Amino acid sequence: DTEVTQTPKHLVMGMTNKKSLKCEQHMGHRAMYWYKQKAKKPPELMFVYSYEKLSINESVPSRFSPECPNSSLLNLHLHALQPEDSALYLCASSQDLGPPTAFFGQGTRLTVV
Amino acid sequence: GQNIDQPTEMTATEGAIVQINCTYQTSGFNGLFWYQQHAGEAPTFLSYNVLDGLEEKGRFSSFLSRSKGYSYLLLKELQMKDSASYLCAVNNFGNEKLTFGTGTRLTIIP
Repeated sequence: DTEVTQTPKHLVMGMTNKKSLKCEQHMGHRAMYWYKQKAKKPPELMFVYSYEKLSINESVPSRFSPECPNSSLLNLHLHALQPEDSALYLCASSQDLGPPTAFFGQGTRLTVV
Repeated sequence: GQNIDQPTEMTATEGAIVQINCTYQTSGFNGLFWYQQHAGEAPTFLSYNVLDGLEEKGRFSSFLSRSKGYSYLLLKELQMKDSASYLCAVNNFGNEKLTFGTGTRLTIIP
């Protein structure tokens, strides 16, 4: 299995809603990432988990809350988002030895209304 | 901080060769990656360079000069499906973070 799977593929939520994005990989990778990508811009790193512990938080607002329940799963909990948070949210994973080549999931297209 | 620059847009002809440049300024350089991203899709890994020189992989090659802070991606025998954005990304020692350049949108014309 060489895939990173993200659900849902599309999500529309109101500013008062609470929702979660899910990511799963079974490649035995020990680093998992959340990136945010706006249209025609490069991906911007949000969080990195290494061995199920949060290792990097790029000063992301608290309305985004990551969670790593185990080495294969990564969640992103969303609460009280703003319309400007609408973007493609990408999950990625990489191996713990050698170059940190990130393998990306297909992303969740999030629209906040 | 880091500074990673790429041309914003390029156009090339089907069957031809195109070179996409990436320059970077960073401390603790630990490798440079190239990714391809079609519109609305996830980035897919193309190549990785950590030592100076050329890495060839089929129609795609990537070059690195660490002393110049410079890399390029060379695409040969261009096909229409190569129309996409090409992103270079840099990793530094001590963490798993990839910092992406601005990306180059490549359009292939018949």
